[in-house]
Amino acid sequence: AQSVSQHNHHVILSEAASLELGCNYSYGGTVNLFWYVQYPGQHLQLLLKYFSGDPLVKGIKGFEAEFIKSKFSFNLRKPSVQWSDTAEYFCAVTPTDNTGFQKLVFGTGTRLLVSP
Amino acid sequence: GAVVSQHPSRVICKSGTSVKIECRSLDFQATTMFWYRQFPKQSLMLMATSNEGSKATYEQGVEKDKFLINHASLTLSTLTVTSAHPEDSSFYICSARGEAGELFFGEGSRLTVL
Repeated sequence: AQSVSQHNHHVILSEAASLELGCNYSYGGTVNLFWYVQYPGQHLQLLLKYFSGDPLVKGIKGFEAEFIKSKFSFNLRKPSVQWSDTAEYFCAVTPTDNTGFQKLVFGTGTRLLVSP
Repeated sequence: GAVVSQHPSRVICKSGTSVKIECRSLDFQATTMFWYRQFPKQSLMLMATSNEGSKATYEQGVEKDKFLINHASLTLSTLTVTSAHPEDSSFYICSARGEAGELFFGEGSRLTVL
């Protein structure tokens, strides 16, 4: 079945460690790709998105993600995490379809805990 | 940034009653809104796409008569869970598509059916 996979369900890091969260999707054709973050007690917020162009996308708060089409991947990275990055991170994909509506399909999420 | 507000944030109801959840775009007009459901430790599952002035488009497996969606204005969509049962207990999240196509999410509404 077509899906979005986030392989790491829980990640625990110390401050200043580097972060990479995996995201793979199984849709063919053109896709738009997103990473959302949900801080404790808050709503989902957009971190970054990829529509076209440079496959290395820079987002807010020092996050970046790289689209590798051949691997159907859109991994999220941050060189040095902070305690305030503790949150749940969702990868999402909008596959194009013939209805014109681009439905956002979410991965299962990765819960990141950064210890001070 | 654009704000989407959901109300109520938490609701507890008895089995068999109906519950209405509102989703409002506070500073922009949204012709399209989406309703998601999130089970514990699982992903957000799209339930339906709500279009202003027309019928909602439901995803496969979502009961139209149970989850009534109304999008009567450009700033308000409502989800009514009719004859709620304990298995309907979940976290419901709405999102609204802004004028530039970006999605903005509400805070979510946690429904508990006793």
